[in-house]
Amino acid sequence: QKEVEQNSGPLSVPEGAIASLNCTYSDRGSQSFFWYRQYSGKSPELIMFIYSNGDKEDGRFTAQLNKASQYVSLLIRDSQPSDSATYLCAVNSRGAQKLVFGQGTRLTINP
Amino acid sequence: NAGVMQNPRHLVRRRGQEARLRCSPMKGHSHVYWYRQLPEEGLKFMVYLQKENIIDESGMPKERFSAEFPKEGPSILRIQQVVRGDSAAYFCASSPTTDGGGYTFGSGTRLTVV
Repeated sequence: QKEVEQNSGPLSVPEGAIASLNCTYSDRGSQSFFWYRQYSGKSPELIMFIYSNGDKEDGRFTAQLNKASQYVSLLIRDSQPSDSATYLCAVNSRGAQKLVFGQGTRLTINP
Repeated sequence: NAGVMQNPRHLVRRRGQEARLRCSPMKGHSHVYWYRQLPEEGLKFMVYLQKENIIDESGMPKERFSAEFPKEGPSILRIQQVVRGDSAAYFCASSPTTDGGGYTFGSGTRLTVV
């Protein structure tokens, strides 16, 4: 079992709709959870982080964390073509400084 | 306030040569991390350094790879005797503390071994 798993996609969503990206992790000691966006040929860009169970909203983005189910998700409301990118889920364990990344989900927003 | 600076952006090496990748962290950041991204794959942790110390090198291949972060100057990731399988994007990230917060990544070095 991979430490952090994401559906590689591609995920295709019409413009204006809600894009839902999912991630599961295996280490119950994980404490911090991050979503990065990576455009083709570019470096990853941090867009959201969440530490506590529940929802965290920032503009059109909402991160959701359920530690009991070891599940974290990212919702993108009012999807725009500029949201088309690969979204990487990353997890940080207690006492460790390294991030463990999932393989990424490729998202395409169709005009 | 400049971000994390990596150079070169692109590096081409022949098999058997050495590759040296440089990373200057953001101002005030004393923690540096190196990650590698193979084509169509996610990022894989390689090494975590603080000034003059390697803290965690659990992701570094046992041979040919080394990293340093000297008291003065940038962090260096060194790959000796490169092979085609070393072709990848190498990203450096930095952080100011060890609170487990998200990193800021540099623009990366794309290494191509021919």
